[in-house]
Amino acid sequence: AQKITQTQPGMFVQEKEAVTLDCTYDTSDPSYGLFWYKQPSSGEMIFLIYQGSYDQQNATEGRYSLNFQKARKSANLVISASQLGDSAMYFCAMRGHNTNAGKSTFGDGTTLTVKP
Amino acid sequence: DTEVTQTPKHLVMGMTNKKSLKCEQHMGHRAMYWYKQKAKKPPELMFVYSYEKLSINESVPSRFSPECPNSSLLNLHLHALQPEDSALYLCASSQEASTGINEQFFGPGTRLTVL
Repeated sequence: AQKITQTQPGMFVQEKEAVTLDCTYDTSDPSYGLFWYKQPSSGEMIFLIYQGSYDQQNATEGRYSLNFQKARKSANLVISASQLGDSAMYFCAMRGHNTNAGKSTFGDGTTLTVKP
Repeated sequence: DTEVTQTPKHLVMGMTNKKSLKCEQHMGHRAMYWYKQKAKKPPELMFVYSYEKLSINESVPSRFSPECPNSSLLNLHLHALQPEDSALYLCASSQEASTGINEQFFGPGTRLTVL
């Protein structure tokens, strides 16, 4: 079974500051992928960043970086230089490579509000 | 083109109606997915198609009937729905279903209201 835990229902950050959104996971798959998605109020899920379980380096995509600590089973999203347009719901998700192949498990999400 | 399109954007239907949701992608992906999402909740997987064959059905009631006519198209046929089926229905695609190393691309969703 797979489980994703996002413990922050809501977060606030000042514009231009950095913010970390927490994500911990549990899985029986030895190989898996971790993903972060952004969902604005319009509803579309926007893929942000991916981290593979065997990747040695933390993933980065522009202002997004993933702080991957495998031993702690955490995959926190760091957004640098926050912008007003970053206000949205953020979901952490995982997909297994073997026993849970094809199934994405999502966390409950964190609502991020960027203050001007 | 990294776009997944969904039609219609909004749908209102009665409990006796029959309607269909449509999803299309032209990225050459071989896996397509249907999710149901209630407000302020994470998406819940409903169906997975891999190479145009249904590979996962998450015990979805038979009033939801998926169809994959070809590798680019995915439909969700709706019949005799209940008001609790009102939700955002998201379609997604990925290169493969059998591996967790490729991301899913989501469409904008269809907001369904069942009266």
